[in-house]
Amino acid sequence: EVQLVQSGGGLVQPGGSLRLSCAASGFTFSSHAMNWVRQAPGKGLEWVSYIYNTGSTIFYADSVKGRFTISRDNAKNSLYLQMNSLRDEDTAVYYCARDLGGSYSQGWGQGALVTVSS
Amino acid sequence: QSALTQPASVSGSPGQSITISCAGTSSDVGGYNFVSWYQQHPGEAPKLMIYEVTKRPSAVSNRFSGSKSGNTASLTISGLQAEDEADYYCSSYTSGSTPLYVFGTGTKVTVL
Repeated sequence: EVQLVQSGGGLVQPGGSLRLSCAASGFTFSSHAMNWVRQAPGKGLEWVSYIYNTGSTIFYADSVKGRFTISRDNAKNSLYLQMNSLRDEDTAVYYCARDLGGSYSQGWGQGALVTVSS
Repeated sequence: QSALTQPASVSGSPGQSITISCAGTSSDVGGYNFVSWYQQHPGEAPKLMIYEVTKRPSAVSNRFSGSKSGNTASLTISGLQAEDEADYYCSSYTSGSTPLYVFGTGTKVTVL
């Protein structure tokens, strides 16, 4: 069974930094691309970032480009999202998700709430 | 790239069928057979219901089906049940690298 366990959310001031982690089990992590998707309170889903299984290809949404960095450690079966220069509008629940076929996500983490507020 | 357009809400009685639309453009929905649908209950993570327009994961009920015509995709739920009450989001691969995927605005399904 695919399991993605997230950690690292919390309260941070505007301009601050936070790192999210996503520990994978139940599948061959090194064979799959991964995504980060976020959901602002009461709002819809927004794709944030994608990383290929080897880490060789990475994409970001324009809203986070230059501020967020996605990475992975296949030896540790872990995915990361380093978030810098955080803004109020980055407040959201962040989900990691396993990418399949380059077209959809099956297997999602439980979500991590990031609150950016002074 | 704008979000795909879905109706804000759809409702139906138990046993009825409902259809949720997802309107995009030729750069996303119309250009690729890479439309997926997700169900989200309050406080939970999204769950994949349909992928590649019409395919259904093995654990998903066959009451859920997907289709596409031109730039608009649709999700149909037949034999509506109380547990189907949730938010539903469509998603599509896009022609640009940013965003790589675009989600729909979301539809609240209410079982009357």
